[in-house]
Amino acid sequence: NAGVMQNPRHLVRRRGQEARLRCSPMKGHSHVYWYRQLPEEGLKFMVYLQKENIIDESGMPKERFSAEFPKEGPSILRIQQVVRGDSAAYFCASSPSGTGFMGRGAFFGQGTRLTVV
Amino acid sequence: QQQVKQSPQSLIVQKGGIPIINCAYENTAFDYFPWYQQFPGKGPALLIAIRPDVSEKKEGRFTISFNKSAKQFSLHIMDSQPGDSATYFCAAQLRDTGFQKLVFGTGTRLLVSP
Repeated sequence: NAGVMQNPRHLVRRRGQEARLRCSPMKGHSHVYWYRQLPEEGLKFMVYLQKENIIDESGMPKERFSAEFPKEGPSILRIQQVVRGDSAAYFCASSPSGTGFMGRGAFFGQGTRLTVV
Repeated sequence: QQQVKQSPQSLIVQKGGIPIINCAYENTAFDYFPWYQQFPGKGPALLIAIRPDVSEKKEGRFTISFNKSAKQFSLHIMDSQPGDSATYFCAAQLRDTGFQKLVFGTGTRLLVSP
């Protein structure tokens, strides 16, 4: 019973390169959330997706960041032309539904730690 | 104001002690308050959660106390153990968001010494 799988666990990119972060939700989960955790800070909501739909991207920077959750395959968080300030841990969570409370319904992956050099 | 203020930033207690972590919020539209535990290199894991219509909730050694009028809530860990050493985050969820979007506190790094 695999949990939320994120890969890669660690990613190093040079400034200006693209970073692609992948998230495979738990089996049976069709809702995915991306959060960013800056050093010494709490997690900040970025985007909420269902299969083939972006439901809420209010936490996403307006430029360079995009997310998708295709009908088949993992959810992808894409950061174009990375800058040093993008260095953070990016966490994905999934749930079987979007309504209700986050109680037992959503599970976090282990995160991707992005380092921009 | 969609912020959750958490204190202290770090905490050291001896084994068996009762660490207390406090959080405060402003927005009365928050109506669900979970606590997460995060070990180094891992994702956050839900520990315990409370609704504002309840003043206290206990699960094992973990207790949430909630003061609705003061807009404050806290986590108590009874009989703390070295294995409890982790970073703890409080969070809050807005009412009727229709999806699971959380506002997190900045975290408390807890160290329980043997």
